[in-house]
Amino acid sequence: GNSVTQMEGPVTLSEEAFLTINCTYTATGYPSLFWYVQYPGEGLQLLLKATKADDKGSNKGFEATYRKETTSFHLEKGSVQVSDSAVYFCALSTSSYSGGGADGLTFGKGTHLIIQP
Amino acid sequence: AAGVIQSPRHLIKEKRETATLKCYPIPRHDTVYWYQQGPGQDPQFLISFYEKMQSDKGSIPDRFSAQQFSDYHSELNMSSLELGDSALYFCASSLRRTSLGEQYFGPGTRLTVT
Repeated sequence: GNSVTQMEGPVTLSEEAFLTINCTYTATGYPSLFWYVQYPGEGLQLLLKATKADDKGSNKGFEATYRKETTSFHLEKGSVQVSDSAVYFCALSTSSYSGGGADGLTFGKGTHLIIQP
Repeated sequence: AAGVIQSPRHLIKEKRETATLKCYPIPRHDTVYWYQQGPGQDPQFLISFYEKMQSDKGSIPDRFSAQQFSDYHSELNMSSLELGDSALYFCASSLRRTSLGEQYFGPGTRLTVT
């Protein structure tokens, strides 16, 4: 079956530090990959996505590159801010090739990011 | 831009009662998904619908059922509630013909079973 593994948290950084949150996946075929962010008491927001190998998703200073050879989709940001404090989920979907078109997302366990001023 | 709407936002029920959660997808989206998120957990996929037909099924308990209506809104019906059903329930939506898997989530319904 499909699975997503991401680094355990919490991850605590100082403002303006470099961020990396590791994510690796197991899936049959070529899934689409996503990062979602969840702020306290809120729903999940799509942060970025990549749908094929070597694609780079980017948004709000965050980036992640779909690495098929290492089955990874690590999230990076060059300079974090206090407002980036949230829980980050890596996720995959097989909808693009399953034929069903409405497959549920498989999520990692989430990484709680804490940015200190 | 319009987002996914869920109602109610908070719900308190007693054990063995029933609950109905509603989801209104983003306008023109034709596919809806339901997820359950326990405290400190990742969201778990329950079920999805496309054009009123069940499309994919995850870890939905037999006590739960769901459907999608002709206006694309969806309802999750939960019966014989247990304490362990206390969780955040998210609905997400997508447009099947253009989606490569991305889903857009609503704010969630927080269900508390006492």
